[in-house]
Amino acid sequence: GEDVEQSLFLSVREGDSSVINCTYTDSSSTYLYWYKQEPGAGLQLLTYIFSNMDMKQDQRLTVLLNKKDKHLSLRIADTQTGDSAIYFCAERRSSASKIIFGSGTRLSIRP
Amino acid sequence: DTEVTQTPKHLVMGMTNKKSLKCEQHMGHRAMYWYKQKAKKPPELMFVYSYEKLSINESVPSRFSPECPNSSLLNLHLHALQPEDSALYLCASSQRPIGQDYEQYFGPGTRLTVT
Repeated sequence: GEDVEQSLFLSVREGDSSVINCTYTDSSSTYLYWYKQEPGAGLQLLTYIFSNMDMKQDQRLTVLLNKKDKHLSLRIADTQTGDSAIYFCAERRSSASKIIFGSGTRLSIRP
Repeated sequence: DTEVTQTPKHLVMGMTNKKSLKCEQHMGHRAMYWYKQKAKKPPELMFVYSYEKLSINESVPSRFSPECPNSSLLNLHLHALQPEDSALYLCASSQRPIGQDYEQYFGPGTRLTVT
């Protein structure tokens, strides 16, 4: 099927690490993306990973890709209140000129 | 300039009205997209323009009519909408429609309410 799956909610304490997980379905996916959406706003591309990589780090963000299990994760180190948002993972399949979004994970930060 | 702009930010229209949503980018991107996003849902692709030609129409009702007058502009013409068409309409662009330069950059969206 076309589903890209994510858990709906995650709550973390300020300063802790957040780990948002995603599973996708198509082993031929070439690029996997993480987008952030703040309330009432569009989507902001945070980072992406090419399917021949297993890790990518960019400042506080670490993306891990397990291609065998079709599992993608986004780790946000030292989570801040400004990280509160919905995080969408998305896959781009090699055969398609479109991307498939997951349902989004709402990240909330508690003091 | 690394942004996608959309106007208006908010739009309220009746079911008999005709209105248009506008999207603009000056990044030299040659692919542009319209998405519809309902509350608490992911964006759903509606249309893709590739080099100013419509390349994907995701079976969108004809009351939505896209137009790409040039490589920087994308319009979505609306006519005889239904209340269930109320949503956030997002425009996006990418440098190329396929290949490595595919990352999509989104505008802030137009929040549409159909009464």
